[in-house]
Order: sequence, then C-alpha cells, then structure tokens
Amino acid sequence: GAVVSQHPSWVICKSGTSVKIECRSLDFQATTMFWYRQFPKQSLMLMATSNEGSKATYEQGVEKDKFLINHASLTLSTLTVTSAHPEDSSFYICSAKQGADRESPLHFGNGTRLTVT
Amino acid sequence: LAKTTQPISMDSYEGQEVNITCSHNNIATNDYITWYQQFPSQGPRFIIQGYKTKVTNEVASLFIPADRKSSTLSLPRVSLSDTAVYYCLVGEYQKVTFGTGTKLQVIP
Repeated sequence: GAVVSQHPSWVICKSGTSVKIECRSLDFQATTMFWYRQFPKQSLMLMATSNEGSKATYEQGVEKDKFLINHASLTLSTLTVTSAHPEDSSFYICSAKQGADRESPLHFGNGTRLTVT
Repeated sequence: LAKTTQPISMDSYEGQEVNITCSHNNIATNDYITWYQQFPSQGPRFIIQGYKTKVTNEVASLFIPADRKSSTLSLPRVSLSDTAVYYCLVGEYQKVTFGTGTKLQVIP
C-alpha cells in the first residue's frame, strides 16, 4: 500500500531557532501534499497545500513566512518552522494523495511532535 | 465542503459490534465518504471508503443510505486495540476538512 514517511518523528528545539520537517511518499508520486497541525485532544487543522513545482497555498490565519513549505520533487515536501516559539509546539502531520482521481484517499505520515523550549 | 457531524465519544465492550454514524447533509454529488482511524501520536490511517450502498473490507463495513446524507462505519467484534479516534471525511480531495471525530473507548 501507499506509504508516507515523515521525519523526524519528534524534535525539541530552542525558541528562536528553525526546524525542518520532511514528508516523503515512498512508493508513489504526489503532486500535492498537505500539512496539518494538531493540538492535544483536538482534530487536525489543515495548514497548507503543497504543490510540486509551485508555491504552497496557505489556509487563512497561517503565516506563510513562518511556515515555509517547499515541494521540490514529486516525492518530497518539507515544512520549515522558522523562528519557533513555544506556542508552535504541536503535532505536525503531512498527507499525500496517491492518485488524481477524486476518490483516491489520502495517505498520512506518522506525524512529527515539535516541542519548543 | 460538506461539513460532517459525529458523536464526540462512544464506549463499547470488547467483542461487540460498534456502529459510528456520521451526518453530512450537504454532501455533493461527486463526493466520496472516507473513514480514518487515528491512534494517539500517530497520523490517521485509512479504513474504508464508499460512494453509496454498502462497502466491506477486512476491517470494517460502511453503510450509506440512498440519500447519502449520512453514513455508518461498522466495526465487527471490537478489541482493545480498536480504541482510537475515528474521523468521517467528505469532500473534494484537494482540501479535506477534519471534523471532531469520534473517540471510541473499548472496555475489557
């Protein structure tokens, strides 16, 4: 089955530093990937849509200069949290759609737990 | 995007069949209905997907009435390892919105 790999699975960083999270589709190509944020006991919130070869589309309220997304290839999208602050501590999850058909389901990575101290 | 409504939580004893219903009154003609399972500190995992009537796979069944305004995920003979949050998703593949999900607690 389709596998999406996310790295790292957890990271601790100091306030003011930047952190990069990778999302890879291991056995399929994904022209579109999605990034979510999930706070404890809450649902997933879509942050942005990552498009291969073009700029990402951000959801309302998500700062594009703070959450930099790069989708340089059909199998890799990265999310960089710049100048991280404690309030950015959260669980970040990516997903990718295997096919272009409307009914093709999303496949999710296992998430990255970010803790900013 | 079709908004979904699910019960916030459910409890069930081991070995019982569990049915989780999701309401999606404004589902579009081309929308599919997809269910995901999420364990703590993990990404959601695809369970089942359907468009109408009934779909069954090795882990669950999905029942969709003719008007498609709701759907029911059926988990046969649940075990403790089925304790998780279950999400019903409906909508355009490019922008899927997660609702609150249903937290299923399986009791020994």
